[in-house]
Amino acid sequence: EVQLVESGGDLVQPGGSLRLSCVAYGFTFSRYSMNWVRQAPGKGLEWVSYISSSGTSIDYADSVKGRFTVSRDSAKNSLYLQMNSLRAEDTALYYCVRSVRALLDYWGQGSLVTVSS
Amino acid sequence: EVVLTQSPGTLSLSPGERATLSCRASQSVNGISLAWYQQKPGQAPRLLISGASSRATGIPDRFSGSGSGTDFTLTISGLEPEDFAVYYCLQYGTSPRTFGQGTKVEIK
Repeated sequence: EVQLVESGGDLVQPGGSLRLSCVAYGFTFSRYSMNWVRQAPGKGLEWVSYISSSGTSIDYADSVKGRFTVSRDSAKNSLYLQMNSLRAEDTALYYCVRSVRALLDYWGQGSLVTVSS
Repeated sequence: EVVLTQSPGTLSLSPGERATLSCRASQSVNGISLAWYQQKPGQAPRLLISGASSRATGIPDRFSGSGSGTDFTLTISGLEPEDFAVYYCLQYGTSPRTFGQGTKVEIK
């Protein structure tokens, strides 16, 4: 069974940094591209970042470009999101999502990031 | 970027009724790369439909998708109590991937 388990969410002050992690179970992690998608409280879904199976192709939403960095470690079946210069509008539940030919198929349960002073 | 507009914002229906949800794109969606997701309160989104009309594994056949180009539809042929939720469309043919704002299907 495919499982994605996020961690690392926390309350952080504006301008601060945070690193999210996602551990994958139940599939060959190294063969799949991965994404981060976020959802602000009571709002809709926003795609944040993509990384290819090899890690050589990476993409970001304009709203986070230059502040967030996605990476992966296939030896640990893990996906990461380093978030710097955090803003109030980054407050959201961050989902780790597997993709197959660009389609987002399996989602984790999310990790909550709150940016507030 | 491709903007997806879902309508209506809220659909109030009774169990057993047919639900028709619309997703309109600001430009033609590449290769019918359009998906639908269901999200219930406190849960992650669940994939229902990919490629505009292909049901994901384990999705009941009361869910069907159709459309191409800029106009897409999700139909639920007879609402079950567990179908009351928020539904999102996603285009994944062009970067950045974009979602519609969601349609809430609520019990009338």
